[in-house]
Amino acid sequence: AQSVTQLGSHVSVSEGALVLLRCNYSSSVPPYLFWYVQYPNQGLQLLLKYTSAATLVKGINGFEAEFKKSETSFHLTKPSAHMSDAAEYFCAVSDPPGGFKTIFGAGTRLFVKA
Amino acid sequence: DAGVIQSPRHEVTEMGQEVTLRCKPISGHNSLFWYRQTMMRGLELLIYFNNNVPIDDSGMPEDRFSAKMPNASFSTLKIQPSEPRDSAVYFCASSPPRPPNEQYFGPGTRLTVT
Repeated sequence: AQSVTQLGSHVSVSEGALVLLRCNYSSSVPPYLFWYVQYPNQGLQLLLKYTSAATLVKGINGFEAEFKKSETSFHLTKPSAHMSDAAEYFCAVSDPPGGFKTIFGAGTRLFVKA
Repeated sequence: DAGVIQSPRHEVTEMGQEVTLRCKPISGHNSLFWYRQTMMRGLELLIYFNNNVPIDDSGMPEDRFSAKMPNASFSTLKIQPSEPRDSAVYFCASSPPRPPNEQYFGPGTRLTVT
């Protein structure tokens, strides 16, 4: 069965510092993987997606994630945090080919300090 | 293009009343999902439809909840009778028929039951 674990419910970084949000998954087949962002009082928005085309995936707002099969990880990074990055981030997994049911992680709230 | 549309955005009702939440998915998408989000339980999948057919409703809390999708462009989630513990933000999401079937979320309906 699929599952996803996000390490750390809260992460705090200083503006300009590296952002690293951790995600580990479990899947019986090579999965589809996603990162979503949720700003206050808004719905979830797709940041990026992995579909096996390339292990390093670039998304919107300068974020990227690397798929590491040996570590079953899909960590999200951004070289330099901006105040506007403060939000909640969700990692998600679904199994090909249908991918109808997506399992979401519990979320990591990112705080950015001035 | 218009995203997922939900109405109303806010709903305040008294315990025992019927509540109907509405969703219009993105045109061309063939899967639709209803989620509930609370601080205590996080993001929960309630039900999802594929080609207007309910595929998995195992997340629906109890018989007070029902969902319909009469056509490809409209879905409703109904709670009857409503209870204070139903207070939450309810999201609708839709996904396209092509892999990886990423989900696009609406802005949500904030429901308060007094």
